[in-house]
Amino acid sequence: DSGVTQTPKHLITATGQRVTLRCSPRSGDLSVYWYQQSLDQGLQFLIQYYNGEERAKGNILERFSAQQFPDLHSELNLSSLELGDSALYFCASSVDRGGTSGRWEETQYFGPGTRLLVL
Amino acid sequence: KNQVEQSPQSLIILEGKNCTLQCNYTVSPFSNLRWYKQDTGRGPVSLTIMTFSENTKSNGRYTATLDADTKQSSLHITASQLSDSASYICVVSPTSGTYKYIFGTGTRLKVLA
Repeated sequence: DSGVTQTPKHLITATGQRVTLRCSPRSGDLSVYWYQQSLDQGLQFLIQYYNGEERAKGNILERFSAQQFPDLHSELNLSSLELGDSALYFCASSVDRGGTSGRWEETQYFGPGTRLLVL
Repeated sequence: KNQVEQSPQSLIILEGKNCTLQCNYTVSPFSNLRWYKQDTGRGPVSLTIMTFSENTKSNGRYTATLDADTKQSSLHITASQLSDSASYICVVSPTSGTYKYIFGTGTRLKVLA
């Protein structure tokens, strides 16, 4: 158990719909990362938040958005869902003492993931 | 284009044997290179993190090496166990550019009794 929790574990929805995935980081961790893992694309970094502010953006679609709340939990919102959005969505957290330098980063601890199926 | 390629795609070994997984990357410059272990359907677990200036990092039976000149990293697993059956993913972090993490497609390892 990494200490990172994600809800829900499974989600089935229809195309065009909107869903919200939730992540609670490990106690004391300030950074939250979101990743998408699909069969054809592998793991992809979506976005990182640090202490409530967006820190880095990766392959995140405009239909997707995220935020980190004052209690440090984070939500990933996926809208106008398409079949291709079906994937495992992972959240990870780290203390991130490396800050903005990018030269050194701490270990990321991944949650169990949310499996999204868009029909 | 920044890429991370892993080989072999899959590997089957007998319990107790050693194996080495390869990661070739074109990302440059980069700040760190990570190896993750991922059991099917579960979140990745960090094995090692090496900065661009490090050559080797160990975590129990797992030893990662990094050769920045040839842009290659390897993950060596010693005395494999059945529980080592998983996918192993190499991740490189560029120091600049759009993508903070570039993932390899992984090597799927199966350890047989």
